[in-house]
Amino acid sequence: DIVLTQSPALAVSLGQRATISCRASQSVSTSSYNLMHWYQQKPGQQPKLLIYDASNLASSIPARFSGSGSGTDFTLTINPVQADDIATYYCQQSRELPLTFGSGTKLEIK
Amino acid sequence: EVQLVESGGGLVQPGSSLKVSCVASGFTFSSYVMHWFRQAPENGIEWLAYINTDSSSTHYAETVKGRFTISRDNAKNTVDMQLSSLRSEDTAMYFCAREGNYGSWGYFDYWGQGVMVTVSS
Repeated sequence: DIVLTQSPALAVSLGQRATISCRASQSVSTSSYNLMHWYQQKPGQQPKLLIYDASNLASSIPARFSGSGSGTDFTLTINPVQADDIATYYCQQSRELPLTFGSGTKLEIK
Repeated sequence: EVQLVESGGGLVQPGSSLKVSCVASGFTFSSYVMHWFRQAPENGIEWLAYINTDSSSTHYAETVKGRFTISRDNAKNTVDMQLSSLRSEDTAMYFCAREGNYGSWGYFDYWGQGVMVTVSS
């Protein structure tokens, strides 16, 4: 199985940039796609798709969210961070089954 | 508006069975691959199974293979998961999700609100 590693928590001041990383145990890129996706989950809610294929913004997601990366290293950036962004962020790979998720990064306000 | 609504959760004893269901609306259900996930309390997200559009292909996580069965009814816009031989470690919130069909594959653009399954004696 592909293991995705995320830092457990990140503290950022409002209005600043948050950079959340995800490292895969093997490449999740093909010749056509970077098969890494990002979700936001708030307590008591379902996950919400933010970014698909590493860098494509999902529908209705504000442009202060962006994604980058290829191969094994990927990043989700939130700039500027707003109070509503307090949540846990998960990366997920679809390079192979089983689909796997990172353990999540909890974004906190400094 | 796309909606996925799960039902069927509850408290069950170890070794018993339960069916969780997900009814979809607001999109052409028969055109989308559907998946089930779960999330144990204070834990991460675990993929469980998927079913393709015409039910000709299914895949399961090793942790549930042989115990859980995914199925769908395109006429009723539903996707179900039959949970059998339940164990305490199956206690979790269960979510259905729609696989996105733009770009690549294997990402999920809509999720249900989840249904809680608790396995305890």
